[in-house]
Amino acid sequence: EDQVTQSPEALRLQEGESSSLNCSYTVSGLRGLFWYRQDPGKGPEFLFTLYSAGEEKEKERLKATLTKKESFLHITAPKPEDSATYLCAVREYGNKLVFGAGTILRVKS
Amino acid sequence: GAGVSQSPSNKVTEKGKDVELRCDPISGHTALYWYRQSLGQGLEFLIYFQGNSAPDKSGLPSDRFSAERTGGSVSTLTIQRTQQEDSAVYLCATGMPNEKLFFGSGTQLSVL
Repeated sequence: EDQVTQSPEALRLQEGESSSLNCSYTVSGLRGLFWYRQDPGKGPEFLFTLYSAGEEKEKERLKATLTKKESFLHITAPKPEDSATYLCAVREYGNKLVFGAGTILRVKS
Repeated sequence: GAGVSQSPSNKVTEKGKDVELRCDPISGHTALYWYRQSLGQGLEFLIYFQGNSAPDKSGLPSDRFSAERTGGSVSTLTIQRTQQEDSAVYLCATGMPNEKLFFGSGTQLSVL
Protein backbone atom coordinates (compact mmCIF):
# COMPACT_ATOMS: atom_id res chain seq x y z
CA GLU A 1 0.00 0.00 0.00
CA ASP A 2 1.10 3.53 -0.73
CA GLN A 3 2.84 5.32 2.09
CA VAL A 4 3.34 9.07 2.26
CA THR A 5 5.11 10.45 5.30
CA GLN A 6 5.67 14.12 5.93
CA SER A 7 8.09 15.68 8.39
CA PRO A 8 8.21 17.58 10.56
CA GLU A 9 4.60 17.59 11.78
CA ALA A 10 4.97 21.26 12.70
CA LEU A 11 7.58 23.90 12.06
CA ARG A 12 7.99 27.36 13.54
CA LEU A 13 10.23 29.82 11.72
CA GLN A 14 11.19 33.41 12.15
CA GLU A 15 10.52 35.64 9.18
CA GLY A 16 13.46 35.27 6.81
CA GLU A 17 14.62 31.95 8.29
CA SER A 18 14.83 29.47 5.40
CA SER A 19 14.01 25.78 5.89
CA SER A 20 12.76 22.63 4.17
CA LEU A 21 9.78 20.31 4.51
CA ASN A 22 10.14 16.63 3.68
CA CYS A 23 7.82 14.14 2.00
CA SER A 24 8.97 10.54 1.76
CA TYR A 25 6.96 8.03 -0.24
CA THR A 26 6.79 4.39 -1.22
CA VAL A 27 4.84 3.63 -4.40
CA SER A 28 5.31 0.97 -7.02
CA GLY A 29 5.10 3.35 -9.96
CA LEU A 30 5.04 7.07 -9.35
CA ARG A 31 2.81 9.01 -11.71
CA GLY A 32 3.18 12.34 -10.03
CA LEU A 33 4.00 13.93 -6.70
CA PHE A 34 1.90 16.92 -5.74
CA TRP A 35 2.36 19.72 -3.22
CA TYR A 36 -0.64 21.62 -1.91
CA ARG A 37 -1.08 24.48 0.55
CA GLN A 38 -4.08 24.52 2.89
CA ASP A 39 -5.23 27.53 4.89
CA PRO A 40 -7.61 27.10 7.84
CA GLY A 41 -11.21 26.57 6.78
CA LYS A 42 -10.31 26.21 3.11
CA GLY A 43 -9.63 23.42 0.67
CA PRO A 44 -6.09 22.61 -0.44
CA GLU A 45 -4.60 24.88 -3.11
CA PHE A 46 -2.32 23.40 -5.76
CA LEU A 47 1.34 24.41 -5.73
CA PHE A 48 3.46 21.97 -7.78
CA THR A 49 3.52 18.67 -9.62
CA LEU A 50 6.77 16.71 -10.03
CA TYR A 51 7.04 13.61 -12.20
CA SER A 52 10.62 12.37 -12.28
CA ALA A 53 13.70 12.28 -10.07
CA GLY A 54 15.83 15.37 -10.48
CA GLU A 55 12.93 17.58 -11.40
CA GLU A 56 12.62 20.96 -9.69
CA LYS A 57 9.93 23.64 -9.74
CA GLU A 58 9.84 27.11 -8.23
CA LYS A 59 7.20 29.62 -7.34
CA GLU A 60 8.06 32.79 -5.46
CA ARG A 61 9.74 31.72 -2.20
CA LEU A 62 8.96 28.02 -2.70
CA LYS A 63 11.02 25.40 -4.51
CA ALA A 64 10.07 21.74 -4.81
CA THR A 65 12.54 18.97 -5.61
CA LEU A 66 12.12 15.23 -6.21
CA THR A 67 14.28 12.14 -5.75
CA LYS A 68 13.31 8.49 -6.15
CA LYS A 69 12.21 8.26 -2.54
CA GLU A 70 11.39 11.74 -1.33
CA SER A 71 10.51 15.31 -2.14
CA PHE A 72 11.51 18.51 -0.44
CA LEU A 73 9.69 21.80 -0.31
CA HIS A 74 12.28 24.49 0.30
CA ILE A 75 11.06 27.81 1.70
CA THR A 76 13.46 30.71 1.22
CA ALA A 77 13.17 33.80 3.41
CA PRO A 78 9.60 32.99 4.48
CA LYS A 79 7.04 35.64 5.36
CA PRO A 80 4.12 35.38 7.82
CA GLU A 81 1.73 34.92 4.89
CA ASP A 82 3.48 31.62 4.09
CA SER A 83 1.97 30.21 7.28
CA ALA A 84 -0.28 27.28 6.31
CA THR A 85 -0.42 23.51 6.26
CA TYR A 86 1.58 22.02 3.41
CA LEU A 87 0.33 18.72 2.03
CA CYS A 88 2.16 16.22 -0.14
CA ALA A 89 0.35 13.63 -2.27
CA VAL A 90 1.39 10.88 -4.67
CA ARG A 91 -0.38 9.24 -7.56
CA GLU A 92 0.63 5.78 -8.72
CA TYR A 93 -1.13 3.57 -11.24
CA GLY A 94 -4.79 4.45 -11.26
CA ASN A 95 -6.03 7.87 -10.39
CA LYS A 96 -6.14 8.01 -6.62
CA LEU A 97 -4.08 10.70 -4.89
CA VAL A 98 -2.74 9.53 -1.54
CA PHE A 99 -2.01 12.36 0.87
CA GLY A 100 0.40 12.68 3.75
CA ALA A 101 -0.69 14.12 7.08
CA GLY A 102 0.84 17.51 6.31
CA THR A 103 3.30 19.92 7.90
CA ILE A 104 1.92 22.90 9.80
CA LEU A 105 4.16 25.90 9.13
CA ARG A 106 4.07 29.03 11.31
CA VAL A 107 6.20 32.02 10.35
CA LYS A 108 6.56 34.74 12.96
CA SER A 109 7.45 38.33 12.19
CA GLY B 1 -18.49 28.12 -12.34
CA ALA B 2 -15.12 29.57 -11.46
CA GLY B 3 -14.29 26.93 -8.88
CA VAL B 4 -15.47 23.77 -7.19
CA SER B 5 -18.59 24.55 -5.17
CA GLN B 6 -19.69 22.49 -2.18
CA SER B 7 -22.88 22.77 -0.22
CA PRO B 8 -23.78 23.12 2.50
CA SER B 9 -20.65 24.66 3.95
CA ASN B 10 -21.72 23.51 7.42
CA LYS B 11 -24.09 20.78 8.47
CA VAL B 12 -25.11 19.88 12.01
CA THR B 13 -27.14 16.73 12.38
CA GLU B 14 -28.28 14.32 15.02
CA LYS B 15 -26.89 10.84 15.33
CA GLY B 16 -28.89 8.41 13.22
CA LYS B 17 -30.05 10.96 10.64
CA ASP B 18 -29.14 10.81 6.95
CA VAL B 19 -27.21 13.63 5.28
CA GLU B 20 -26.49 14.58 1.69
CA LEU B 21 -23.46 16.60 0.65
CA ARG B 22 -23.25 18.19 -2.77
CA CYS B 23 -20.36 18.99 -5.08
CA ASP B 24 -20.57 21.14 -8.23
CA PRO B 25 -17.39 20.63 -10.26
CA ILE B 26 -15.53 23.03 -12.48
CA SER B 27 -17.19 22.89 -15.88
CA GLY B 28 -15.61 20.27 -18.12
CA HIS B 29 -13.76 18.39 -15.39
CA THR B 30 -14.40 14.71 -15.86
CA ALA B 31 -12.59 13.43 -12.76
CA LEU B 32 -14.20 13.98 -9.35
CA TYR B 33 -12.95 12.87 -5.95
CA TRP B 34 -14.34 12.87 -2.43
CA TYR B 35 -11.98 13.06 0.52
CA ARG B 36 -12.55 13.27 4.28
CA GLN B 37 -10.40 15.30 6.64
CA SER B 38 -10.71 14.83 10.37
CA LEU B 39 -9.45 17.50 12.76
CA GLY B 40 -5.69 17.83 12.48
CA GLN B 41 -5.44 14.91 10.06
CA GLY B 42 -4.51 14.46 6.44
CA LEU B 43 -6.94 13.76 3.63
CA GLU B 44 -8.56 10.33 3.54
CA PHE B 45 -9.62 9.14 0.08
CA LEU B 46 -13.25 8.06 -0.20
CA ILE B 47 -14.23 7.63 -3.85
CA TYR B 48 -13.22 8.60 -7.38
CA PHE B 49 -15.49 9.23 -10.37
CA GLN B 50 -14.53 9.35 -14.02
CA GLY B 51 -17.61 10.73 -15.73
CA ASN B 52 -20.56 9.04 -14.06
CA SER B 53 -18.67 5.85 -13.25
CA ALA B 54 -16.87 5.15 -9.99
CA PRO B 55 -13.89 2.92 -10.82
CA ASP B 56 -12.47 3.28 -7.31
CA LYS B 57 -14.72 3.36 -4.27
CA SER B 58 -12.24 1.59 -2.05
CA GLY B 59 -12.13 4.36 0.55
CA LEU B 60 -15.79 4.38 1.54
CA PRO B 61 -15.66 3.48 5.26
CA SER B 62 -18.86 1.43 5.41
CA ASP B 63 -22.06 0.63 3.56
CA ARG B 64 -23.63 3.69 5.22
CA PHE B 65 -21.65 5.79 2.74
CA SER B 66 -22.64 6.09 -0.91
CA ALA B 67 -22.04 8.53 -3.72
CA GLU B 68 -23.37 9.18 -7.16
CA ARG B 69 -22.63 11.49 -10.02
CA THR B 70 -25.11 12.45 -12.69
CA GLY B 71 -24.62 13.97 -16.13
CA GLY B 72 -20.88 13.86 -15.60
CA SER B 73 -21.32 16.89 -13.39
CA VAL B 74 -22.87 17.23 -9.92
CA SER B 75 -22.03 14.63 -7.31
CA THR B 76 -23.73 13.85 -4.02
CA LEU B 77 -22.21 11.99 -1.08
CA THR B 78 -24.83 10.42 1.16
CA ILE B 79 -24.21 9.22 4.69
CA GLN B 80 -26.99 7.16 6.22
CA ARG B 81 -27.60 6.71 9.92
CA THR B 82 -24.82 9.15 10.82
CA GLN B 83 -22.50 8.38 13.71
CA GLN B 84 -20.37 10.75 15.77
CA GLU B 85 -17.23 9.37 14.16
CA ASP B 86 -18.53 10.67 10.81
CA SER B 87 -17.86 14.24 12.00
CA ALA B 88 -15.23 15.72 9.71
CA VAL B 89 -14.70 18.04 6.77
CA TYR B 90 -15.75 16.43 3.50
CA LEU B 91 -13.79 17.77 0.56
CA CYS B 92 -14.57 17.45 -3.13
CA ALA B 93 -11.90 17.83 -5.81
CA THR B 94 -12.17 17.83 -9.57
CA GLY B 95 -9.81 17.85 -12.53
CA MET B 96 -8.92 16.27 -15.82
CA PRO B 97 -7.56 12.70 -15.69
CA ASN B 98 -3.95 12.49 -14.50
CA GLU B 99 -3.74 16.24 -13.92
CA LYS B 100 -3.79 18.41 -10.81
CA LEU B 101 -6.91 18.58 -8.69
CA PHE B 102 -8.88 21.66 -7.69
CA PHE B 103 -10.55 21.48 -4.29
CA GLY B 104 -13.72 23.01 -2.95
CA SER B 105 -13.84 24.59 0.51
CA GLY B 106 -15.51 21.54 1.99
CA THR B 107 -18.54 20.71 4.08
CA GLN B 108 -18.00 20.70 7.83
CA LEU B 109 -20.18 17.90 9.18
CA SER B 110 -20.94 17.75 12.88
CA VAL B 111 -22.89 14.78 14.24
CA LEU B 112 -24.28 15.39 17.71
